[in-house]
Amino acid sequence: GQQVMQIPQYQHVQEGEDFTTYCNSSTTLSNIQWYKQRPGGHPVFLIQLVKSGEVKKQKRLTFQFGEAKKNSSLHITATQTTDVGTYFCGRNYGQNFVFGPGTRLSVLP
Amino acid sequence: DTAVSQTPKYLVTQMGNDKSIKCEQNLGHDTMYWYKQDSKKFLKIMFSYNNKELIINETVPNRFSPKSPDKAHLNLHINSLELGDSAVYFCASSQTEREAFFGQGTRLTVV
Repeated sequence: GQQVMQIPQYQHVQEGEDFTTYCNSSTTLSNIQWYKQRPGGHPVFLIQLVKSGEVKKQKRLTFQFGEAKKNSSLHITATQTTDVGTYFCGRNYGQNFVFGPGTRLSVLP
Repeated sequence: DTAVSQTPKYLVTQMGNDKSIKCEQNLGHDTMYWYKQDSKKFLKIMFSYNNKELIINETVPNRFSPKSPDKAHLNLHINSLELGDSAVYFCASSQTEREAFFGQGTRLTVV
């Protein structure tokens, strides 16, 4: 019902390569949020998208919200070893805050 | 100043014991949550509480119970611990439909 799916589950890239993770929902999302969790750490908020077709950038990270507000993506340009971690999309509606299964990124130097 | 703090950071205990994890937030948020993260890194919501309403994920065993003495605290009590309860437990807080702030996590190991 209210779950979000994420692909891929794992991604291994060479340092300098690009990386993209996708988040999909069967229902329209009022908002989508992205979080990063470093190994051994806790999830940390990156960004929230609210508007249809919205695109936001944070340095090498580009976040997109689909026109139908059912999907979102996070793209990292020229990955660095500091990008290693698990990236989660999440939706906060009412009192329910659910996350996708996450994409675990490893970057080979 | 830590926004969301939870204690202890590590907890090792025997099967059958009862334990508690404490969580406090100083952000003035209206909603607090408990999540269980397993070895595959899935973040599974267990409870959410906004000082008026407790929402329980129906898949959570009733051995788990949240206790909120006030809106800044949401503690997690676990009775009769089982091996499968071993995981990292995260407390978080947010304002409605805003970003969540997570605690550092409590790594629970049941032996």
